[in-house]
Amino acid sequence: GQNIDQPTEMTATEGAIVQINCTYQTSGFNGLFWYQQHAGEAPTFLSYNVLDGLEEKGRFSSFLSRSKGYSYLLLKELQMKDSASYLCAVRDPGGSYIPTFGRGTSLIVHP
Amino acid sequence: EAQVTQNPRYLITVTGKKLTVTCSQNMNHEYMSWYRQDPGLGLRQIYYSMNVEVTDKGDVPEGYKVSRKEKRNFPLILESPSPNQTSLYFCASSETPGQGANEQYFGPGTRLTVT
Repeated sequence: GQNIDQPTEMTATEGAIVQINCTYQTSGFNGLFWYQQHAGEAPTFLSYNVLDGLEEKGRFSSFLSRSKGYSYLLLKELQMKDSASYLCAVRDPGGSYIPTFGRGTSLIVHP
Repeated sequence: EAQVTQNPRYLITVTGKKLTVTCSQNMNHEYMSWYRQDPGLGLRQIYYSMNVEVTDKGDVPEGYKVSRKEKRNFPLILESPSPNQTSLYFCASSETPGQGANEQYFGPGTRLTVT
């Protein structure tokens, strides 16, 4: 089976930095995804990590440690529009490579 | 424009009245999937399809059917809807999982209410 854990909710201040953590326990591993989802809208792809280390993409970065079953999404220079849910998803070869999603972290950015 | 479309976007129906939610993608993706999203439970997979005429159950398939007669279309069928199927539904597509990132592209969602 698979178990993916994320905090339910986080708050942060505009202009600050926030780190959203994701831990997972899967029988196998073939990549970890982060998606952003604004309320009532479709999830959109943010990042993909399959090797250990940090992937940077503008204000967003994603980190992976496979040995620890751990990832984080780092958002810098927070803007009000970053208020959204952030979904962590893990792909497991034992599960036909179908990604399994965590329950998501709701991020509230306040002025 | 590359996209996944779903119809209808909103639907209110009554218990037991069969309905179909359509999903279509124009990216020639092999893989398509249906999810439902409920507060506190996240995205849960209902059914998925690796290619034409190949479908498999996800985590919550009870009460749903799907078909994949053409590569671009993947309709979700509720033969006899019940109130516990009230939810927000998303269709998604991607290249074959397991080969590179091949992230999923999601449709805009269908909000279904069953009374």
